[in-house]
Amino acid sequence: AQTVTQSQPEMSVQEAETVTLSCTYDTSENNYYLFWYKQPPSRQMILVIRQEAYKQQNATENRFSVNFQKAAKSFSLKISDSQLGDTAMYFCAFRSGGGADGLTFGKGTHLIIQP
Amino acid sequence: DAGVIQSPRHEVTEMGQEVTLRCKPISGHNSLFWYRQTMMRGLELLIYFNNNVPIDDSGMPEDRFSAKMPNASFSTLKIQPSEPRDSAVYFCASSRVEAYGYTFGSGTRLTVV
Repeated sequence: AQTVTQSQPEMSVQEAETVTLSCTYDTSENNYYLFWYKQPPSRQMILVIRQEAYKQQNATENRFSVNFQKAAKSFSLKISDSQLGDTAMYFCAFRSGGGADGLTFGKGTHLIIQP
Repeated sequence: DAGVIQSPRHEVTEMGQEVTLRCKPISGHNSLFWYRQTMMRGLELLIYFNNNVPIDDSGMPEDRFSAKMPNASFSTLKIQPSEPRDSAVYFCASSRVEAYGYTFGSGTRLTVV
């Protein structure tokens, strides 16, 4: 079974700073997908960014980018020019590439952006 | 696109009562997932369906939980009888089988007193 570990329960940075959230995972598969989801106080789960394991290029979505290290099984999220609206829980998630299986989530990191 | 629609948004019930949570997936999505979120256990996959057929229900905590998907546009998660430890936020998500993105509903916060 796959496991996803987020080692930072909470982080706090000043507005406009850059912050990196860590995620490691354990799998014996070679084909899989990785995701970062954001959950603001409204509790809606919002997809931030996703990465296919077979792609070497790191995914980027505007201010959000990932550092995907397949050999190290690491998938960190970098948020540049952080904004107050980025305050939320952030969850790293894994999905097997074999089919429409469910996501395995980490425990989450509570990110607080200070004004 | 109305997104994944869950109802009710909040539910408060007494221990021992039956609770039914509802989900309408995005039209054209043929995979549907039920998750439970608690502070202690985080987000857990309970069950998922492909083309209305239950594929994996190993996450369902016990026989008090059951889920159905009678057609492509509707699913229910039922708890009977409910217990205080069932209190959680329950999410429904949908996707296309061949795609790898998941869209979540806004969740149902269940409180069993």
